[in-house]
Amino acid sequence: EVQLVESGGGLVQPGGSLRLSCAASGFTFSNYWMVWLRQAPGKGLEWVANIGGDGSLPHYVDSVKGRFIISRDNTKNSLYLQLTSLRAEDTAVYFCARDTNYVADGVYYDVFDIWGQGTSVTVSS
Amino acid sequence: AIQMTQFPSSLSASVGDRVTITCRASQGIRNDLGWYQHKPGKAPKLLIYAASSLQSGVPSRFSGSGSGTDFTLTISSLQPEDFASYYCLQDYNYPRTFGQGTKVEIK
Repeated sequence: EVQLVESGGGLVQPGGSLRLSCAASGFTFSNYWMVWLRQAPGKGLEWVANIGGDGSLPHYVDSVKGRFIISRDNTKNSLYLQLTSLRAEDTAVYFCARDTNYVADGVYYDVFDIWGQGTSVTVSS
Repeated sequence: AIQMTQFPSSLSASVGDRVTITCRASQGIRNDLGWYQHKPGKAPKLLIYAASSLQSGVPSRFSGSGSGTDFTLTISSLQPEDFASYYCLQDYNYPRTFGQGTKVEIK
């Protein structure tokens, strides 16, 4: 079964750090880009960062650049998100997802086709 | 960053109703747009990609249309399991951006 399971969330003080993990199973992990997304309480979904299958070419949303680092360990089929200098506005459920390409009329489109259930991060003193 | 304006933010509808959700991009994005469904406590689910292509396993009552800056998601006959939040997402460039979401509630 294709599955993604996040872990590592919790309560952290402003300015603190946390590392989120996403364990993948049921597919060849290294063949796929992966992405982190989040949903703040009462808000919509937000794309946070993604990374290539070989760990290259990370992209970040501006609000987390310089504070969050996305990485992966293909030997462990795991994706990570290192959160530092945390702020109250980083409070959210964080989801990992498989970031892949679907083809329509011969053109490739980027989709998030497999998602985890999320892990909750609360930044509060 | 491309801004995705989605409306309405919420709507109340009955089982069997036709529902339309709109998403407007701040610049042209060809048809690089997907639609996702999200229920509380669950993993979001891909419904539509390339603006109008139905993801495998998604019921045919869901359809998407549009190109450039204006897009719609239509549910032709709302079913009980469709009460959820829906989001558009542009995959034209980075950072990827979502619409603000539309919560579909039971009337």
